[in-house]
Amino acid sequence: GAGVSQSPRYKVAKRGQDVALRCDPISGHVSLFWYQQALGQGPEFLTYFQNEAQLDKSGLPSDRFFAERPEGSVSTLKIQRTQQEDSAVYLCASSFEDRNTEAFFGQGTRLTVV
Amino acid sequence: AQSVTQLDSHVSVSEGTPVLLRCNYSSSYSPSLFWYVQHPNKGLQLLLKYTSAATLVKGINGFEAEFKKSETSFHLTKPSAHMSDAAEYFCVVSGAGTYKYIFGTGTRLKVLA
Repeated sequence: GAGVSQSPRYKVAKRGQDVALRCDPISGHVSLFWYQQALGQGPEFLTYFQNEAQLDKSGLPSDRFFAERPEGSVSTLKIQRTQQEDSAVYLCASSFEDRNTEAFFGQGTRLTVV
Repeated sequence: AQSVTQLDSHVSVSEGTPVLLRCNYSSSYSPSLFWYVQHPNKGLQLLLKYTSAATLVKGINGFEAEFKKSETSFHLTKPSAHMSDAAEYFCVVSGAGTYKYIFGTGTRLKVLA
């Protein structure tokens, strides 16, 4: 596609509900990243995939957060038993390589937990 | 460890006057440095990047930044602000041999008519 696509753009979840956020990276991009951007803050790294392999998940805040990229293209970030502190914008980015190259960002999914 | 500090959370300039957004970084390795812009309800867009080539980097929309190793700075400038430049700007560091982006907390630029 022309850019990184994320869906849904907005999600309101009741506390305790499970959510799934989808990312379609740019075709051919090897690397895929998830970031979390809290209100008024810069994005913070969550996890990194190289093709289908999840090479780094050190930024995931808890074991309620899970990400996958089973075929090396589309990725899903799942949050189980959502809590209010999970409210944020979740950004997906992809790049052709993994180092020193530009990452292209999607518009993000704004998650609000009520 | 790497970090980046954006020295101003808010900057206001009049249209047609120069813009200066300040960024200092810390990195154990030769860093890659980026400036991204985020307009409301839009994705992050790359303005420019430094990856150990020329220290003065020119980007899109008339922006440029100078890498100063001695000062560990990578300030973003533009000679003449336009109303459409009003947005949030993020300075980003990524060290050599790593893939993670470390973002600053952002600078909100306001352009006054």
